[in-house]
Amino acid sequence: NAGVTQTPKFQVLKTGQSMTLQCAQDMNHEYMSWYRQDPGMGLRLIHYSVGAGITDQGEVPNGYNVSRSTTEDFPLRLLSAAPSQTSVYFCASSYLQGGVNGYTFGSGTRLTVV
Amino acid sequence: AQSVAQPEDQVNVAEGNPLTVKCTYSVSGNPYLFWYVQYPNRGLQFLLKYITGDNLVKGSYGFEAEFNKSQTSFHLKKPSALVSDSALYFCAVRDNTDKLIFGTGTRLQVFP
Repeated sequence: NAGVTQTPKFQVLKTGQSMTLQCAQDMNHEYMSWYRQDPGMGLRLIHYSVGAGITDQGEVPNGYNVSRSTTEDFPLRLLSAAPSQTSVYFCASSYLQGGVNGYTFGSGTRLTVV
Repeated sequence: AQSVAQPEDQVNVAEGNPLTVKCTYSVSGNPYLFWYVQYPNRGLQFLLKYITGDNLVKGSYGFEAEFNKSQTSFHLKKPSALVSDSALYFCAVRDNTDKLIFGTGTRLQVFP
């Protein structure tokens, strides 16, 4: 099925460990983004990309890196995990100019940092 | 800067009664507004959007939303709530760089 695929679905990390959250879409969307969802704070934008080779920071970029080497993939890297990064992470994509229906979201990655 | 506000953390309604989930926005220019729903342990699903045209927008699962420019509101409504409508609802506005700015979410609880 076409859509946004996120892996893994669940992950537990120790403080200081690094890891990469994977995001892939097969809809040829130019725009991809990463959000984190925390109780009472809604979704906050971490990083986004408007096309291969182009990335930019969102509202809460510290502690995260991204790259966009292909249109399909937009991995999110945690450089040195901290308990404050415990959250649910969502990847989303769309055509530029927002498409018809805004974003298509992945099913999320629940990350716990201990 | 663009922003949205959802003033209610939770809305409780009895099954069969009408429901309203409130959203107000602040944008420069014409707003592109969205409602998304999130069921437990799932990603966000698109419900409906307002881009231009009729102020009453109809969406998925019997939901509709009313765009009110003078009150800068985009409230989500449904004439008759179902228990299965219980979920987390997010209002969002698209800024001029294609980023979606989300509200903090409203939990809808429909009681049998």
